[in-house]
Order: sequence, then C-alpha cells, then structure tokens
Amino acid sequence: EVQLVESGGGLVQPGGSLRLSCAASGFTFSNYHMNWLRQAPGKGLEWVSYISSDTSTTYYADSVKGRFTVSRDNAKNSLFLQMSSLRGEDTAVYYCAQSGGLGYWGQGTLVTVSS
Amino acid sequence: DIVVTQTPLSLSVTPGQPASISCKSSQSLLDSDGRTYLSWFLQKPGQSPQLLIYEVSSRFSGVPDRFSGSGSGTDFTLKISRVEADDVGVYYCMQSLHYPRTFGQGTKVEVK
Repeated sequence: EVQLVESGGGLVQPGGSLRLSCAASGFTFSNYHMNWLRQAPGKGLEWVSYISSDTSTTYYADSVKGRFTVSRDNAKNSLFLQMSSLRGEDTAVYYCAQSGGLGYWGQGTLVTVSS
Repeated sequence: DIVVTQTPLSLSVTPGQPASISCKSSQSLLDSDGRTYLSWFLQKPGQSPQLLIYEVSSRFSGVPDRFSGSGSGTDFTLKISRVEADDVGVYYCMQSLHYPRTFGQGTKVEVK
C-alpha cells in the first residue's frame, strides 16, 4: 500500500524558515517523480514544486521561486521542502504527492506563518 | 500558464440522481504523444484530495464506475451517474500537460 507521510509543519514567524519532510513507503520511491502542493485555509489547491526521480530536474511555482527548495533522498525514501523567507500567504496545509499525475497524496502538514 | 475553469462552483444533488461538472482549459491539453492530460480529484471533508480520473476518462484504482470523464482539447466533463451520500466534497479538475500544474477553482457537491 502506498503511503506518504508529511511532517515538519508548525508555527513560524514571517521571514522564518521551515523544512518539511515526506516519508514514502509501499512503492519504489526512486522510480517516481514527486510533487509538493498546498492548500490555504478555505481555499483551493495550488501546486508548489516538482522534483524528478533522479533529482536532475526541479520546477517551482512563481509564488515560491527563490524561497523554497525541493530535494529528495532516494536511499531514505524521503522528500523534502526547505522553505525560507516565509510570508503570511504561505500559510497552508502542505501535501506531497506521487508522480506527475498526483496519483497518491499524503495527509498533509499545516504550516502557519504568523507573528 | 494554462488556466483551468470549472463550472458550476456548487451543486446540490438528490441521491440517485446524476451530476455533471464542466472544466475548460485555456489551451488544448492534447500532447504530442496522443494523450490528453486532464485529471479529476475529489477532496472529501477533512481529507486529502484523491485522484478519480486521469487522461480525461481513465478511472484510477478503486474508483467506482459511476464516475466517468469525457471531453477533448479544451472542454471536459466529469459525470456521476447516480450520486451517493459518500460523494460529497469538492471536485477539482487539473491539467497535467505542463508545469506549473494548474487546478480549477473547485466544485462543491452537496447531497440533499
């Protein structure tokens, strides 16, 4: 069974940093591209970032470019999102999702940016 | 970026009746490989989104056959043949032809 478990969310002050993790199991992680998405409270879905299976290619939404960095450790079946210079508008539940087609999602981790 | 627009934004359906949601993209989602990259997701209350339909009309693993997708180019439709109480939530279409992936605004489905 495919499982994706996000962690690392919490309350952070504007301008601060946070690192999210996504632990994958139930599939060969190194074979799959991965994505981060987010959902602000009461809002719709927003794609955030993509990383290819071999880490050679990454993409970012314009709203996070230059502030967020996606990475992965295929040996540890883990995906990461390093977030810096956080703003109030980054407040959201952050999800990791498998493959370009987003076939499987984690349960999400809440990031709150507030003073 | 490809803009994806859903209608209606809300829908109230009697159990056992059909429901339909429309999704339009600002450019064709037909790829050079012959596939069309439009997906549908359902986010039930308090849960993560779940994939229902990919490549316009292919049902994802475990999705009941009361859900069907159709369309081509820039115009797409999700149909639920007979709505059940468990179908409540917000439905999103998404284009997966290009990055950034873009979603429709969502359609909130309520069962009467």
